Amino acid sequence: QKEVEQNSGPLSVPEGAIASLNCTYSDRGSQSFFWYRQYSGKSPELIMFIYSNGDKEDGRFTAQLNKASQYVSLLIRDSQPSDSATYLCAVTLSGGSYIPTFGRGTSLIVHP
Amino acid sequence: DAEITQSPRHKITETGRQVTLACHQTWNHNNMFWYRQDLGHGLRLIHYSYGVQDTNKGEVSDGYSVSRSNTEDLPLTLESAASSQTSVYFCASSEGGSYGYTFGSGTRLTVV
Repeated sequence: QKEVEQNSGPLSVPEGAIASLNCTYSDRGSQSFFWYRQYSGKSPELIMFIYSNGDKEDGRFTAQLNKASQYVSLLIRDSQPSDSATYLCAVTLSGGSYIPTFGRGTSLIVHP
Repeated sequence: DAEITQSPRHKITETGRQVTLACHQTWNHNNMFWYRQDLGHGLRLIHYSYGVQDTNKGEVSDGYSVSRSNTEDLPLTLESAASSQTSVYFCASSEGGSYGYTFGSGTRLTVV
């Protein structure tokens, strides 16, 4: 059974710090990796996706993928209180239905 | 601008009643999905569709049905509402498995 694991948190960081969110997955055939941000009472919003090993940067966000170790991370630089949300990791397999498996999310709190 | 809309935003219904939640997207996406989100379980897939007249069961499909008569709409029907179906329901659409989802704003359903 495909599994995507995230620490539920909360992860608390001070404003301006780097927040590091981690996600591990069980299926070695996984090909596409996504990070969604979900504010309380709102719907998930796609913020990053990554397909290849290494880093992918978009503004203050960096996704890191290590397929050999089966983990994907999201780094948020210069964290702001507005980054306080739950971050969901999602992973899809290749050659299948491309339906992603979601982790349960990590709650991030950025305090002033 | 393209969007995905869900209605109603909130619904209270009685046990045993049939309920239909609407989902309408103007992205012209072939792929549409219904999820429920509950504390402790994260996002769980109910049903999905890859195109007109195509529907498929997800991991928690019992008690739910969908139909796809056009590209824009994927209504979710609860045949006989049960208290266990009290949840937040999200509709999503996607261009393809490698592109991630766009989520609707959600429907909070309470079954009393």
